[in-house]
Amino acid sequence: DVKVTQSSRYLVKRTGEKVFLECVQDMDHENMFWYRQDPGLGLRLIYFSYDVKMKEKGDIPEGYSVSREKKERFSLILESASTNQTSMYLCASSLGGYEKLFFGSGTQLSVL
Amino acid sequence: RKEVEQDPGPFNVPEGATVAFNCTYSNSASQSFFWYRQDCRKEPKLLMSVYSSGNEDGRFTAQLNRASQYISLLIRDSKLSDSATYLCVVRNSGGSNYKLTFGKGTLLTVNP
Repeated sequence: DVKVTQSSRYLVKRTGEKVFLECVQDMDHENMFWYRQDPGLGLRLIYFSYDVKMKEKGDIPEGYSVSREKKERFSLILESASTNQTSMYLCASSLGGYEKLFFGSGTQLSVL
Repeated sequence: RKEVEQDPGPFNVPEGATVAFNCTYSNSASQSFFWYRQDCRKEPKLLMSVYSSGNEDGRFTAQLNRASQYISLLIRDSKLSDSATYLCVVRNSGGSNYKLTFGKGTLLTVNP
């Protein structure tokens, strides 16, 4: 079974802090994604990567950056956390066809 | 018109009932369609793909109407374990053809 592991289930940070969310997948998938999920807004794509060192902006990239130095790892970085970035963050991966996403269990981030 | 729209529900049905969810999408060039399921406080998981001719997987039937830009999911003989949020997902063609757009989801509760 594909496993997508997110480093933290719950995270509490202060406004202005730099925050790193880590995601690792164990199935050699080319594509990796970061979504955030908010009540009433659904899942929204922040960034995705289709290869090592390659990245593309999703629908809401402002305030975020990403890093993919190794195929199995995709990091989401909040350069200066703000309260409106309080959310559930979900990492996902997929094989070349993008058809089926495998999600991690999510990180609930609270920015105070 | 929003890219992917679903009736948010909630749908409350008794065990054994048949329930149908609808979804509309705005981009006529959309290529692929899926239903994902998300249990409370869990990550989304692929339930089934939706094919042009319609397809069935046990108690679940998915249908696509390209002319009306409409997707449906029918659940027969509902079980308590079917209680979840059902997400309609669309993949568009074109430059970002790896981008999946999620609907906000329809909440289903199956009651004993």
